[in-house]
Amino acid sequence: DIVMTQTALSSPVALGQPASISCRSSQSLVHSDGNTYLSWLQQRPGQPPRLLIYKVSNRFSGVPDRFSGSGAGTDFTLKISRVEAEDVGIYYCAQATQFPRTFGQGTKLEIK
Amino acid sequence: QVRLAESGGGVVQPGRSLTLSCAASGFTFSSYGMHWVRQAPGKGLEWVAAIWYDGGKTHHADSVKGRFIISRDNSKNLLYLRMNNLRAEDTAVYYCTRDSHSVRFDYWGQGTLVAVSS
Repeated sequence: DIVMTQTALSSPVALGQPASISCRSSQSLVHSDGNTYLSWLQQRPGQPPRLLIYKVSNRFSGVPDRFSGSGAGTDFTLKISRVEAEDVGIYYCAQATQFPRTFGQGTKLEIK
Repeated sequence: QVRLAESGGGVVQPGRSLTLSCAASGFTFSSYGMHWVRQAPGKGLEWVAAIWYDGGKTHHADSVKGRFIISRDNSKNLLYLRMNNLRAEDTAVYYCTRDSHSVRFDYWGQGTLVAVSS
């Protein structure tokens, strides 16, 4: 199985400041079709997960452009250019390159 | 708009069975792969099972293999999860979620809570 490992944010983030979350996979996420099926999900308190980014760097419909994704192979990053109060929650990376699908353990974003 | 609505959760004793349903609307259900993902209280996300758009292929996590079965009825726009021999560690909110050809896990339901307790 592919293990997804996320970094924790070092401290609460001040409003308007940037935030960055890293995710590393135990093996390459490049699919045989050439795509890299790495997604980022946001889960606000008491809510179901919501897709933010798919295939490493594509913003899903309705996602603000302050969210961006980057990376390749086994190392990926989610960046929030300017944190807003509504961004509080837990962020998960997920791989959909092979079964079983696996998720990172989650990274909590708190506001200072 | 795309909508996924889970139902069928509740409190059940260990060893008993339960079937969850996910009603899909707002899209052509028979064109999309579907999944069940669960979240134990205070824990992260765990993928449970997947089914191809036509039901022709399924995958199950090792933790539920031999006990849970994913299925679908494309004529009714319904996804199912039959859960047998339930254990305390199956206690979780169960979400259904969709795959398109290029976007995985694009829409999620609100979830249904399954609590396994004597």
